[in-house]
Amino acid sequence: GAGVSQTPSNKVTEKGKYVELRCDPISGHTALYWYRQSLGQGPEFLIYFQGTGAADDSGLPNDRFFAVRPEGSVSTLKIQRTERGDSAVYLCASSLFLAGSTDTQYFGPGTRLTVL
Amino acid sequence: KNQVEQSPQSLIILEGKNCTLQCNYTVSPFSNLRWYKQDTGRGPVSLTIMTFSENTKSNGRYTATLDADTKQSSLHITASQLSDSASYICVVSARSNYQLIWGAGTKLIIKP
Repeated sequence: GAGVSQTPSNKVTEKGKYVELRCDPISGHTALYWYRQSLGQGPEFLIYFQGTGAADDSGLPNDRFFAVRPEGSVSTLKIQRTERGDSAVYLCASSLFLAGSTDTQYFGPGTRLTVL
Repeated sequence: KNQVEQSPQSLIILEGKNCTLQCNYTVSPFSNLRWYKQDTGRGPVSLTIMTFSENTKSNGRYTATLDADTKQSSLHITASQLSDSASYICVVSARSNYQLIWGAGTKLIIKP
């Protein structure tokens, strides 16, 4: 595709519910990242995929958060038993290789999650 | 602790004026420094990426500088336009891993 797309753009859910957020990276990008951004803050790293595998999930706040990328392209971020503190914009980015190089990350528009 | 600090937190200038945003970091070992522009409700967009050996890089009206000795960077915007209104985020990558350390951003407002 032309850019990174994320769906839905907005998600409102009730405390305790389960949500899935989807990311479609740029075609051919092997690296995919999930970030969480709270109002007035920079993005906070959650998880990084290289191909199908999660190379580092150390940013996931707890075991309610899980992400998959089964075919090395589309990724889904899954949040169980949502809490009000999970409310944030969830950003997805993709790049050709590794962020540790000068590889540019391309960001999607984000999914705004609101937990009531 | 690896940190990126930006100043000012917010800035309001008139259209056509220049401005400079600052970034100080304590990331070590340093790999590269990036400046992103983030419009409200959108994902960040990369403006510049600089490695240790580069001390200036331009992208149109945006010019970034890097002083790896003092661990400081600046983003200079020339002849500001209304469309420059956005948050500008400084991001530093450590050589030891792929993770990017993000600053909180400077919110820039351009007034006509």
